[in-house]
Amino acid sequence: EPEVTQTPSHQVTQMGQEVILRCVPISNHLYFYWYRQILGQKVEFLVSFYNNEISEKSEIFDDQFSVERPDGSNFTLKIRSTKLEDSAMYFCASSTRLAGGAGYEQYFGPGTRLTVT
Amino acid sequence: LAKTTQPISMDSYEGQEVNITCSHNNIATNDYITWYQQFPSQGPRFIIQGYKTKVTNEVASLFIPADRKSSTLSLPRVSLSDTAVYYCLVGENTDKLIFGTGTRLQVFP
Repeated sequence: EPEVTQTPSHQVTQMGQEVILRCVPISNHLYFYWYRQILGQKVEFLVSFYNNEISEKSEIFDDQFSVERPDGSNFTLKIRSTKLEDSAMYFCASSTRLAGGAGYEQYFGPGTRLTVT
Repeated sequence: LAKTTQPISMDSYEGQEVNITCSHNNIATNDYITWYQQFPSQGPRFIIQGYKTKVTNEVASLFIPADRKSSTLSLPRVSLSDTAVYYCLVGENTDKLIFGTGTRLQVFP
């Protein structure tokens, strides 16, 4: 069964450093997402991406965050200057179609645990 | 997006049927009801989706009454590996999934 993969599984970085989290969505999917989950809290939507541009983003996704699809397979989340509160599990997801209606099925990756010290 | 309410936690034993009910009183006409499952330190996983009446797949059944103001996820004969958090999501025409706190199901031997 096709699956979303993410690297690295765990990233430790110092406050103020830049990090890039990588994802390989399912190959025939066209919609890509990033979510995060702070330990013990809800899964939170960050951003959605379609046709090489952001289609929606949350308040969390400020100027410190950016996403990119550098080639035909990878989807990346960059945090320019990490803060302690960015420590969380970051999940990438992909879908064949927009969420909503009958298209709510998003496939999530295993996540990258980001620890900012 | 319709607000959902579901129990914070449930306990069960292996082999039992588990029913988790979600209330969504202000569900809109075009909203679908979707359930996701999340194991510790893993991403959420789609379980089932429905609009009305009953939907069944190899994992679960979803019961939706005529007024659609609630829905019940039914897990037949649970095993220890069904211990997870279960999320009920309701919405349409949105690019994002909004997760609540979910129901933490603990299955005991």
